[in-house]
Amino acid sequence: AQSVTQLDSQVPVFEEAPVELRCNYSSSVSVYLFWYVQYPNQGLQLLLKYLSGSTLVKGINGFEAEFNKSQTSFHLRKPSVHISDTAEYFCAVRLISNFGNEKLTFGTGTRLTIIP
Amino acid sequence: KAGVTQTPRYLIKTRGQQVTLSCSPISGHRSVSWYQQTPGQGLQFLFEYFSETQRNKGNFPGRFSGRQFSNSRSEMNVSTLELGDSALYLCASSLAPSARTDTQYFGPGTRLTVL
Repeated sequence: AQSVTQLDSQVPVFEEAPVELRCNYSSSVSVYLFWYVQYPNQGLQLLLKYLSGSTLVKGINGFEAEFNKSQTSFHLRKPSVHISDTAEYFCAVRLISNFGNEKLTFGTGTRLTIIP
Repeated sequence: KAGVTQTPRYLIKTRGQQVTLSCSPISGHRSVSWYQQTPGQGLQFLFEYFSETQRNKGNFPGRFSGRQFSNSRSEMNVSTLELGDSALYLCASSLAPSARTDTQYFGPGTRLTVL
């Protein structure tokens, strides 16, 4: 079974500073990787995904993530954050299966707070 | 293209009652998944439907059930509500589970409060 670990439950960052949200996963088979963002009182919005190809993935709102297979990590980064980035961020994995894609497994989330 | 819609957005019930939540997927999407989100347990997978058939199920008691209609709309039902069922219930739709690059898109959720 796969699992996802988000190492930081809360990350405070000053506005215009860079940020990295960490995500590690464990799986005995290949996976697809996702980052979702959840703003207060809303559902989840897809930020970016890694399916195959280039290990550096660019998403919406200036976010990017790098897939590192040897370290089983998929950390999310943004070079300069804005107040509007205040939200909860979820990393998720999905097994690659010959029987059809398996369910998404989510990490526990990282609450990103931007300090003006 | 309209996103995933969920109704109602907010719901208050009392213990022992039952509740039905509805989800309309993005047009053309045939797979619908349901998740429960709570502060203590985070996001947990409930079940997934495709072509009116449940193809995947999480570790929830039988009080939680669902179904999917021929137009891909889905409902989930919780019977004999307990206080611990208070949560945000999220629905996600995708093209089809067999698609190798399948991506799930989420609705805004239904906030259920059990008193």
